[in-house]
Amino acid sequence: AQKVTQAQTEISVVEKEDVTLDCVYETRDTTYYLFWYKQPPSGELVFLIRRNSFDEQNEISGRYSWNFQKSTSSFNFTITASQVVDSAVYFCALSEAFSGGYNKLIFGAGTRLAVHP
Amino acid sequence: NAGVTQTPKFRVLKTGQSMTLLCAQDMNHEYMYWYRQDPGMGLRLIHYSVGEGTTAKGEVPDGYNVSRLKKQNFLLGLESAAPSQTSVYFCASSLGEASTDTQYFGPGTRLTVL
Repeated sequence: AQKVTQAQTEISVVEKEDVTLDCVYETRDTTYYLFWYKQPPSGELVFLIRRNSFDEQNEISGRYSWNFQKSTSSFNFTITASQVVDSAVYFCALSEAFSGGYNKLIFGAGTRLAVHP
Repeated sequence: NAGVTQTPKFRVLKTGQSMTLLCAQDMNHEYMYWYRQDPGMGLRLIHYSVGEGTTAKGEVPDGYNVSRLKKQNFLLGLESAAPSQTSVYFCASSLGEASTDTQYFGPGTRLTVL
């Protein structure tokens, strides 16, 4: 069965520290997509990145970077020089084929990141 | 371009009452979804729709009904609310099918059933 595990329930760091959020997934599909979403204290879900299973290149976007390792079924997210505005719950998600071939997102339980001044 | 909007943002119901949550998107997306978010459980799919006039069950459909009479709107109904339905409800939409398309989420509706 498909599954997404975010083992870190809560992480607390001081501003300017680097922090890595772990995501491990299980799937039997050969084609799949991985996502990260951010949920700030205001509650909305903000899309951060989508990665397909055929593209293992790491990606960097400003202070954010993602490390996709198919060999270990991991899709980790690193924030460099963290800021207070990075405080949020971060969700990793996996898309799989659902009945009829429609998209279904499997979410991890989320990691709450608190960045202190 | 408002993206995905949800109405209302907050609601308190008594057990047995009914209500409808409205989701609207202005991105001309074919696919729409309703999720619920509970502490420590991530998001779980309630129902989804792959186009106007179609709906289908997700992981946790019991106690909910949905309708998609117009492409831009997706309604979630609770006919007889129960305390177990206390949750935050998110609507999402995606352009097309499956794994290739990103789902974009609305701001959520916080529902409390007393």
